[in-house]
Amino acid sequence: GAGVSQSPRYKVAKRGQDVALRCDPISGHVSLFWYQQALGQGPEFLTYFQNEAQLDKSGLPSDRFFAERPEGSVSTLKIQRTQQEDSAVYLCASTLGKGATEAFFGQGTRLTVV
Amino acid sequence: AQSVAQPEDQVNVAEGNPLTVKCTYSVSGNPYLFWYVQYPNRGLQFLLKYITGDNLVKGSYGFEAEFNKSQTSFHLKKPSALVSDSALYFCAVRALYSSASKIIFGSGTRLSIRP
Repeated sequence: GAGVSQSPRYKVAKRGQDVALRCDPISGHVSLFWYQQALGQGPEFLTYFQNEAQLDKSGLPSDRFFAERPEGSVSTLKIQRTQQEDSAVYLCASTLGKGATEAFFGQGTRLTVV
Repeated sequence: AQSVAQPEDQVNVAEGNPLTVKCTYSVSGNPYLFWYVQYPNRGLQFLLKYITGDNLVKGSYGFEAEFNKSQTSFHLKKPSALVSDSALYFCAVRALYSSASKIIFGSGTRLSIRP
């Protein structure tokens, strides 16, 4: 596609429910990032893939968070047993190369845990 | 470890006046530096980047940024602000020549341009 696509745009989950957020990066982009953004704050790094390899997952806040990119294209961020503090916008970004190229962002998934 | 600081939560400027949004960074080795803008309920949009070369880089919508290695700064500037520039601005850094490095963002600066 022309840009990074994320789905769903909005998700309301009951506390304790599992959720899966999808990111479809720009075709051919090697690197893929997930970020968590609280209202009015900067994006906080969660995890980074280069093709199908997850090179950095240091930002995942707990073992309830899991991300995968099995074929080096579409990625899924899964949150198990959601908690209210998980409520945020989850942003996905992709870059063409490994270093200097700018990241292109999707519009995000707004997760609200009630 | 990489980090980015945006010391001002909000910057207020009158339309037509010059604007500066400040950013300082910390990274091992040489940095890639970026500025992004975010409008309400929208994703982040790329404005400009510094990789190497000329310390003054020009980007979208008339914005430019000046890289200062000694001060580890990358301030965003525009000679004449527009009301439509009002938005949330983020500075970001990535370590140069490190294929495994993440992109780290600052906390953001809300730019408000009054007519």
